[in-house]
Amino acid sequence: AQSVTQPDIHITVSEGASLELRCNYSYGATPYLFWYVQSPGQGLQLLLKYFSGDTLVQGIKGFEAEFKRSQSSFNLRKPSVHWSDAAEYFCAVGGATNKLIFGTGTLLAVQP
Amino acid sequence: EPEVTQTPSHQVTQMGQEVILRCVPISNHLYFYWYRQILGQKVEFLVSFYNNEISEKSEIFDDQFSVERPDGSNFTLKIRSTKLEDSAMYFCASSTEGWGYTFGSGTRLTVV
Repeated sequence: AQSVTQPDIHITVSEGASLELRCNYSYGATPYLFWYVQSPGQGLQLLLKYFSGDTLVQGIKGFEAEFKRSQSSFNLRKPSVHWSDAAEYFCAVGGATNKLIFGTGTLLAVQP
Repeated sequence: EPEVTQTPSHQVTQMGQEVILRCVPISNHLYFYWYRQILGQKVEFLVSFYNNEISEKSEIFDDQFSVERPDGSNFTLKIRSTKLEDSAMYFCASSTEGWGYTFGSGTRLTVV
């Protein structure tokens, strides 16, 4: 079955610290992978996406993600977190159709 | 930057009533979608729409749901007889091709 797992429901990091949000997927075909961010009361904003090619993808706001096929993972990273990064982060997978399957999200809190 | 606009931002309706959620996709986009997010749960795909017909729908999208693109600019989701469990945030999205999604900021539907 197609699914996305985000094992961390809630993460707290200090401002300026590095961040890694985990995402594992299960998908029968070649996956298209996405990270979205949702601030309170806001819609879903695309941070980055992976379709093919270089397995390290750069996104907006200084985020990057690495696709590791052997681990079925697509973890999101940022070297130095800012207070404005506090939000909920969703990993999603898609494929032959245009339907996205989302993970349950990771809520990021940033301590001053 | 072009936006997907959803109205209203919050709607309260009585159980059994019909509700129409409205979306104005980005003008040159060809693919349209509805997703929903029940409070505290993951974002779930409802339906995709292309070339004036449904291209895919989920199990959630039963006979109580319908979509329409009545005038070439709006894209609506109708729930015929709302149930308490329909309470959720509903997101509209559009794209030029399959994966260039832009999400709206959502309509919070509360069924009482």
